[in-house]
Amino acid sequence: DTGVSQNPRHKITKRGQNVTFRCDPISEHNRLYWYRQTLGQGPEFLTYFQNEAQLEKSRLLSDRFSAERPKGSFSTLEIQRTEQGDSAMYLCASSLGLVGDTQYFGPGTRLTVL
Amino acid sequence: DAKTTQPNSMESNEEEPVHLPCNHSTISGTDYIHWYRQLPSQGPEYVIHGLTSNVNNRMASLAIAEDRKSSTLILHRATLRDAAVYYCILRDTIYNQGGKLIFGQGTELSVKP
Repeated sequence: DTGVSQNPRHKITKRGQNVTFRCDPISEHNRLYWYRQTLGQGPEFLTYFQNEAQLEKSRLLSDRFSAERPKGSFSTLEIQRTEQGDSAMYLCASSLGLVGDTQYFGPGTRLTVL
Repeated sequence: DAKTTQPNSMESNEEEPVHLPCNHSTISGTDYIHWYRQLPSQGPEYVIHGLTSNVNNRMASLAIAEDRKSSTLILHRATLRDAAVYYCILRDTIYNQGGKLIFGQGTELSVKP
């Protein structure tokens, strides 16, 4: 069991550039979640997938953000035209998809927008 | 999902028990009480969860008040590796079928040697 992995671990970009993050969940997990965490705050929910279907999106997910999970395995989160306010830790989690089940988190991707 | 209230920070001595409180006065009958913790520079990790009865696992114990308006996470012997932010989260199993976690500020636990 390799756990949830995220790449890259760190990303520094200039304002206005596009960035893409990847999350590889635990292999048999049907659900995949994205969260964002700013310094000193708890993680905030962004979106989740059940297999390849994106079933819920937070109001935090502006139209500059897009997430995909094309084959129900790995997922990507893209941010277009990055802004300094996008600087945060982006966390991915996965779970089996049963009611109330445990979510397993990856180490996160830390984004810094200059 | 209902709101929880936790102290911002707590201190403990190594090898002593730690009781981390959580208030959730507006909890509904379908809310489970979950605890996650986040060690420095890591993603959150599951600790324990319960509905009405007290629960024990290898990491911790969860004591739930009879009226369910509060709960306490108990670490029986704190170690330096238990220094983390501890989050108490309510998960509604009926209206939150997707299972998203709604984190508050959590309690930052520091452990002194």
